[in-house]
Amino acid sequence: EAGVVQSPRYKIIEKKQPVAFWCNPISGHNTLYWYLQNLGQGPELLIRYENEEAVDDSQLPKDRFSAERLKGVDSTLKIQPAELGDSAVYLCASSFSRVADTQYFGPGTRLTVL
Amino acid sequence: AQSVTQPDIHITVSEGASLELRCNYSYGATPYLFWYVQSPGQGLQLLLKYFSGDTLVQGIKGFEAEFKRSQSSFNLRKPSVHWSDAAEYFCAVAETSGSRLTFGEGTQLTVNP
Repeated sequence: EAGVVQSPRYKIIEKKQPVAFWCNPISGHNTLYWYLQNLGQGPELLIRYENEEAVDDSQLPKDRFSAERLKGVDSTLKIQPAELGDSAVYLCASSFSRVADTQYFGPGTRLTVL
Repeated sequence: AQSVTQPDIHITVSEGASLELRCNYSYGATPYLFWYVQSPGQGLQLLLKYFSGDTLVQGIKGFEAEFKRSQSSFNLRKPSVHWSDAAEYFCAVAETSGSRLTFGEGTQLTVNP
């Protein structure tokens, strides 16, 4: 069984440029999560989807971040424009249903903003 | 709001020695508790989780954790560490089955030969 797939694995951009990350969850997983992980810290939830619906996006900086999960399968997280402080690892995870179900994480996208 | 504290930022043990990683949580009721491991360049992998029942939980790779309500703790243990256990370990808590997962800041484990 394929795990959570994320692309790209690494991205380097200039500040003020846009960037997008893509995630394909494990087949059959209804819940999808995007996390931000700063260096030396634990992941922090940005947004959680139940199928197509964003059910928890309170931590998503909506002035520059956006996300979508069309058709309730794969998802895209976008930053526009990127700032220096956005340099971090962006993790995608999926689970069968609820938060308490095991979350399976992708390898992440390491973003560097210059 | 729920929170998780991992008091040890970095721990070094010798291969074959026992290991205990500490985790304390802040929440009024019984939370859902998790331990994840992250190897360099890899995503997080679930080691074990506690929801209810037996307070001693067995996980993968020979790890176990014990939930102690009186101490608000969920410490991770392994009787004999292998070099391949070197990684970063995260404790996490969820208030209910439908709420968000809150992670601690992690403990970096180094294993000496």
